[in-house]
Amino acid sequence: EIVLTQSPATLSLSPGERATLSCRASQSVSSYLAWYQQKPGQAPRLLIYDASNRATGIPARFSGSGSGTDFTLTISSLEPEDFAVYYCQQRFNWPPFTFGQGTKLEIK
Amino acid sequence: EVQLVESGGGLVQPGGSLRLSCAASEFTFSSYSMNWVRQAPGKGLEWVSHISGSSSTIYYADSVKGRFTISRDNAKNSVYLQMNSLRAEDTAVYYCARYCSSPSCQGGFDYWGQGTLVTVSS
Repeated sequence: EIVLTQSPATLSLSPGERATLSCRASQSVSSYLAWYQQKPGQAPRLLIYDASNRATGIPARFSGSGSGTDFTLTISSLEPEDFAVYYCQQRFNWPPFTFGQGTKLEIK
Repeated sequence: EVQLVESGGGLVQPGGSLRLSCAASEFTFSSYSMNWVRQAPGKGLEWVSHISGSSSTIYYADSVKGRFTISRDNAKNSVYLQMNSLRAEDTAVYYCARYCSSPSCQGGFDYWGQGTLVTVSS
């Protein structure tokens, strides 16, 4: 089973700042990595798929990069609605599909 | 717009059973794999089960294997999760999520339902 480790666990930033979230895989997942955003009481929403492709309707301030074992989600300039929990997920070697433990992006 | 609507959650005693349903609309249901993902209170996301569009391929997480059964009815645009021998650690919000692996698709769980809460407690 591929383990995904996200860092940091919590990121405290202000609106307008740049956010950089990390996801590291225990073995290569090629580019088969997705990012999700989840707000309290809501279902997760797909942001990025295959490491760097924005999902339908996702603003351009969200970008993904990386391949192999190291991946990054970048939010170029934080909007108030971006404060949420973010998860990475791999689909390279499944079952099981595995998720990272999440990074909570909170307002500083 | 694609919609997934779960139902069937509730309070059940340890050792009991529950059947979850997920009704899909506004897409060609049989063309997509479907998954169940759960989230325990205050915790992260855990994949539970997968079923292909034709039901020919089914997978389960080790934590539910032998206790849960996934199925689908393409005529009713619905996917189900039969949960037996429930344990306290199965308490979670259960989401259904659409997945497509073909190159023309978005390679992740691109649509999710709103979730249904299952509580296992005496």
